[in-house]
Amino acid sequence: GAGVSQSPSNKVTEKGKDVELRCDPISGHTALYWYRQSLGQGLEFLIYFQGNSAPDKSGLPSDRFSAERTGGSVSTLTIQRTQQEDSAVYLCASSLSSAAGQETQYFGPGTRLLVL
Amino acid sequence: AQKITQTQPGMFVQEKEAVTLDCTYDTSDPSYGLFWYKQPSSGEMIFLIYQGSYDQQNATEGRYSLNFQKARKSANLVISASQLGDSAMYFCAMRGFSNDYKLSFGAGTTVTVRA
Repeated sequence: GAGVSQSPSNKVTEKGKDVELRCDPISGHTALYWYRQSLGQGLEFLIYFQGNSAPDKSGLPSDRFSAERTGGSVSTLTIQRTQQEDSAVYLCASSLSSAAGQETQYFGPGTRLLVL
Repeated sequence: AQKITQTQPGMFVQEKEAVTLDCTYDTSDPSYGLFWYKQPSSGEMIFLIYQGSYDQQNATEGRYSLNFQKARKSANLVISASQLGDSAMYFCAMRGFSNDYKLSFGAGTTVTVRA
């Protein structure tokens, strides 16, 4: 079956512009996660959605970052007034649920963001 | 909170040989899961193998096996019969079961398989 898909695969933007990154999870997966992978910082958690529950935004680095998930499926990560330090690969993952600890998170191919 | 340590930034292995990637962890959670992911140059994180802290036997998945030593808090990945396509970055990750859902990742180990 289809895996997690993300778009765009690459995004180049100018400092100060807003960007939107999209994630389409595996069908039937209720849990969705955003991570960021940057040089020197490794992989860091950003935000988590589970069904219709309020998301856990504890990993978002600043109030310029926001995310939503419509209809319990597709998610959009928005970065406002982008800064050069936002340059990274943004990875989306999904799992069947988060209730069971052993649920495997399956990742998408990522969006490579470069802020000039 | 969980902490994952991967001390080998890069490794070379000859084709058809086995390679062991080290991973140690620290957690206060009594129950947890350990995961290994592969990230080739294309960038996608590919799930390889899972080990639960309560599992009595070491996990195996094809050419991948996990050498789990709970008392030492280590979960080393063994790749047998290395292939050129195994060249990639490998990440160890964990998740606590009590009240956590996000994965904590190690810094990764780059494996290069030589023909």
